[in-house]
Amino acid sequence: QKEVEQDPGPLSVPEGAIVSLNCTYSNSAFQYFMWYRQYSRKGPELLMYTYSSGNKEDGRFTAQVDKSSKYISLFIRDSQPSDSATYLCAMIDTNAGKSTFGDGTTLTVKP
Amino acid sequence: DTGVSQDPRHKITKRGQNVTFRCDPISEHNRLYWYRQTLGQGPEFLTYFQNEAQLEKSRLLSDRFSAERPKGSFSTLEIQRTEQGDSAMYLCASSYGNSYGYTFGSGTRLTVV
Repeated sequence: QKEVEQDPGPLSVPEGAIVSLNCTYSNSAFQYFMWYRQYSRKGPELLMYTYSSGNKEDGRFTAQVDKSSKYISLFIRDSQPSDSATYLCAMIDTNAGKSTFGDGTTLTVKP
Repeated sequence: DTGVSQDPRHKITKRGQNVTFRCDPISEHNRLYWYRQTLGQGPEFLTYFQNEAQLEKSRLLSDRFSAERPKGSFSTLEIQRTEQGDSAMYLCASSYGNSYGYTFGSGTRLTVV
């Protein structure tokens, strides 16, 4: 059983749709939660970084954390073809000092 | 500073050969991480440094893998006696102190034939 489970996808949506990407985790010691975007043959790029339960918004992106349910989500509003990529959730147990990643969800936004 | 640099971008090697990869982090970042990623999987932790000290090494990492970060600047990852199962993208990332978001390099893609 992996510590971080991510909805596998792939996900295909029309341009302008709202996208929901989700992860669950089992380690209660995870305190920091991140979302990365990874384009093909590139390194991951940090999108959002949250600590507490609740919502954090950055432009078209909203990260949501529910620590009681051990569940995190990333919402993308007004999705664009340029959002087509693999999205990785990641979490940190500060006692461990390193990030644990999900396996990613590949998103395609069709014009 | 233009970000995290990794060299080479691609490496093809024969099974049994040794390979070495280099990572140059963002200069003010004191933490440096190595991850490995295979197709369809998320990055898998290998090891990390705070300054020049190697603080943790994954239990999944065999003795054929070694990493260094002399003087707390660039880092090298060496794989000895490569096996086909070592074929993967090797990612380097850096961060500053308690900033837990990482900046990744573009990776080194290793193919063992």
